[in-house]
Amino acid sequence: RKEVEQDPGPFNVPEGATVAFNCTYSNSASQSFFWYRQDCRKEPKLLMSVYSSGNEDGRFTAQLNRASQYISLLIRDSKLSDSATYLCVVRRGGSYIPTFGRGTSLIVHP
Amino acid sequence: GAGVSQSPSNKVTEKGKDVELRCDPISGHTALYWYRQSLGQGLEFLIYFQGNSAPDKSGLPSDRFSAERTGGSVSTLTIQRTQQEDSAVYLCASSLLGKYEQYFGPGTRLTVT
Repeated sequence: RKEVEQDPGPFNVPEGATVAFNCTYSNSASQSFFWYRQDCRKEPKLLMSVYSSGNEDGRFTAQLNRASQYISLLIRDSKLSDSATYLCVVRRGGSYIPTFGRGTSLIVHP
Repeated sequence: GAGVSQSPSNKVTEKGKDVELRCDPISGHTALYWYRQSLGQGLEFLIYFQGNSAPDKSGLPSDRFSAERTGGSVSTLTIQRTQQEDSAVYLCASSLLGKYEQYFGPGTRLTVT
């Protein structure tokens, strides 16, 4: 089983839709969790950290479920500019090396 | 402030040649990472530097790959005797001490012909 797994998609949604992605991780000792977005032929950019209690940043909400070992990203009121690949990143305790998922592709259409 | 910079942005080289890729992290960031990303693939960790500590080289795929970081700032990734399978985007990221959020440079697209 891969350490970090994501549904590659693509998720194809209309503008204004709400869309959610999950990411599962296999190592129960994982301590830090992040979502990055990567536009085509660009570098990954930090979208948000994921906190145990869940956190929100505008239209984006991230959740952590330690019991089931997954994190989620919810995007409300999707915009065309949200089209990108969303990377799940997990870091296990005691390590400085994060593991990146292969990403979930989102396409928002008019 | 200035972000992470990398040079060159593109590099085309012949199989068997050596290449050097440069990364200039965000000022004050003590941690520096190198990754590579092949077309349609995820990020593959290569090497990690933290301050003056010995680097974590556990991700380097072969002894043709090496990296150094001078003065705790600029880093150079060297690939000797390049092979076609080395073709990828090489990404550098930096972060603050004790923080795990990483900030990436724009990458170097390496093509080995």
